[in-house]
Amino acid sequence: DVKVTQSSRYLVKRTGEKVFLECVQDMDHENMFWYRQDPGLGLRLIYFSYDVKMKEKGDIPEGYSVSREKKERFSLILESASTNQTSMYLCASSSPGVGEKLFFGSGTQLSVL
Amino acid sequence: GQQLNQSPQSMFIQEGEDVSMNCTSSSIFNTWLWYKQDPGEGPVLLIALYKAGELTSNGRLTAQFGITRKDSFLNISASIPSDVGIYFCAGHRGGAQKLVFGQGTRLTINP
Repeated sequence: DVKVTQSSRYLVKRTGEKVFLECVQDMDHENMFWYRQDPGLGLRLIYFSYDVKMKEKGDIPEGYSVSREKKERFSLILESASTNQTSMYLCASSSPGVGEKLFFGSGTQLSVL
Repeated sequence: GQQLNQSPQSMFIQEGEDVSMNCTSSSIFNTWLWYKQDPGEGPVLLIALYKAGELTSNGRLTAQFGITRKDSFLNISASIPSDVGIYFCAGHRGGAQKLVFGQGTRLTINP
């Protein structure tokens, strides 16, 4: 069964902390994405990557960075967490050519206090 | 970034009722998709539509790609408790373009 695995289901952090959200996929997909989900706002793209060591800004990259050192792993980094980054974070992957067919992880609910 | 206008934002229905939701855009898409998010899980692809006017079914779900290519519709017939969740529409322009998502429709079913 193909899978996108996010390392934590729930995280609680303090303002100013550096936060790492990890995502691993076992489908050998080139494309990986990080979204945040907020009620009434749907899914908003933070960053994406079409290849190892490659990254592109999405629609709301401010306050975030990413790392893709290996094809199967895509990390989202909050350099200095703030309360307005409290949200559900979803990782997804897809194959080139069928980039519209995303496979999502179960999400990480991050609370920043 | 652009988002799609999805409505309604929430629905409260009785089990057995039919459900309709839609998604509109000010610009054209080449592909329309519908995803469903179960509580506590990530979204899963339900239906993908690739041609204007296309009507596609997946069990009790039927989706349509609008003729103008600026809208799409999802219908669920005879709803059951496991239909509960958030439904997202998404548009894709092809190639390396990113998906654009709607705000979601939260479906609640009273048994």
